[in-house]
Amino acid sequence: RKEVEQDPGPFNVPEGATVAFNCTYSNSASQSFFWYRQDCRKEPKLLMSVYSSGNEDGRFTAQLNRASQYISLLIRDSKLSDSATYLCVVNRRQTGANNLFFGTGTRLTVIP
Amino acid sequence: NAGVTQTPKFQVLKTGQSMTLQCAQDMNHEYMSWYRQDPGMGLRLIHYSVGAGITDQGEVPNGYNVSRSTTEDFPLRLLSAAPSQTSVYFCASSSDRDRDSGELFFGEGSRLTVL
Repeated sequence: RKEVEQDPGPFNVPEGATVAFNCTYSNSASQSFFWYRQDCRKEPKLLMSVYSSGNEDGRFTAQLNRASQYISLLIRDSKLSDSATYLCVVNRRQTGANNLFFGTGTRLTVIP
Repeated sequence: NAGVTQTPKFQVLKTGQSMTLQCAQDMNHEYMSWYRQDPGMGLRLIHYSVGAGITDQGEVPNGYNVSRSTTEDFPLRLLSAAPSQTSVYFCASSSDRDRDSGELFFGEGSRLTVL
């Protein structure tokens, strides 16, 4: 079973729409959680952390449900510039150190 | 700021050849890592290092060697390239002791094709 599972999409939404991505993780020992963004043929970059209480960063809202091992990302008022692949990421200790484990990503295309 | 620099950006190898992907960071980060990214598989951790002289295996270490003789450099060696090693390779570093902030600084990637 994969460490992190995501619906690969693609999600094609019109500008201004609200879109939600979900992710599940398999290891209950995972300690912290994040969303990364990856533009086409570019390197991944940290978008935001995910806290149990839920957190917002502008149009982006992230939530964590530890009991269900479930993470979500909500994007409101989608912009063309939001088109990218969104990677769900968990931090877990493996042998000697904490490492980040990435989902396969969910591809979003925002249409004019 | 250079950040994390990977070379080469593109490489084509024949099966059985060896090569080294270079990674250097100028941020004095203790933690460095190598990932490979394949369609449908996502980013998978190959090897990582928590400081000079210390390396350890990730999820998919077979066929790869690493060393960390300095804080700045973390080269990835392919010992005998196989078509299954065709991938995009990313080097990443972090100043965060336990990655609690989640922030990894990635290089731009190295696209490797093995024929």
